[in-house]
Amino acid sequence: DAGVTQSPTHLIKTRGQQVTLRCSPKSGHDTVSWYQQALGQGPQFIFQYYEEEERQRGNFPDRFSGHQFPNYSSELNVNALLLGDSALYLCASSIDRVGNQPQHFGDGTRLSIL
Amino acid sequence: AQTVTQSQPEMSVQEAETVTLSCTYDTSESDYYLFWYKQPPSRQMILVIRQEAYKQQNATENRFSVNFQKAAKSFSLKISDSQLGDAAMYFCAYSTRAQKLVFGQGTRLTINP
Repeated sequence: DAGVTQSPTHLIKTRGQQVTLRCSPKSGHDTVSWYQQALGQGPQFIFQYYEEEERQRGNFPDRFSGHQFPNYSSELNVNALLLGDSALYLCASSIDRVGNQPQHFGDGTRLSIL
Repeated sequence: AQTVTQSQPEMSVQEAETVTLSCTYDTSESDYYLFWYKQPPSRQMILVIRQEAYKQQNATENRFSVNFQKAAKSFSLKISDSQLGDAAMYFCAYSTRAQKLVFGQGTRLTINP
């Protein structure tokens, strides 16, 4: 049973560019959340997708957008990259409305902005 | 807004001994969940233990147990018989049924052989 998979593992971009990160949830999960983890910090919630719609959003600018596909996989898009966007981006999946079930995390995508 | 605070940036313990990691949180909700996640250098966030706020009994998972003090909004993690493989960053996290996780800043745990 595959867990949460993220791609790519590492990515290097320059300021002003755009990037797309991908996530496939754990089998049977229908909700995908994205987190940004700066070096030495705890993860910060970006947004959550359910039924192909953004259901919750954290304190991130509109440069951060996402999408969820009918097969529950998800993409995170970041436009006009800034140096401060350098971080580990974590995807987590879960089953909707089952609050006592933990979110399962992928290995993350390390994004470096030059 | 909900916040989670881990006041110990780093902790170290001798192998086979016991260590306790501290966590406090702030919320006005009555129904919520608390978690401890472990993040080794491999980066994957691994669930260690979870606690439902409505349960008075402290959760335990083998060598890992929590001390949940709801009135004090405290949620500490005790690791017994520490092993070298326990070395990692440990994050305390909070969520409601909406499932958005709020994390603390983390505690780096070192195990000394």
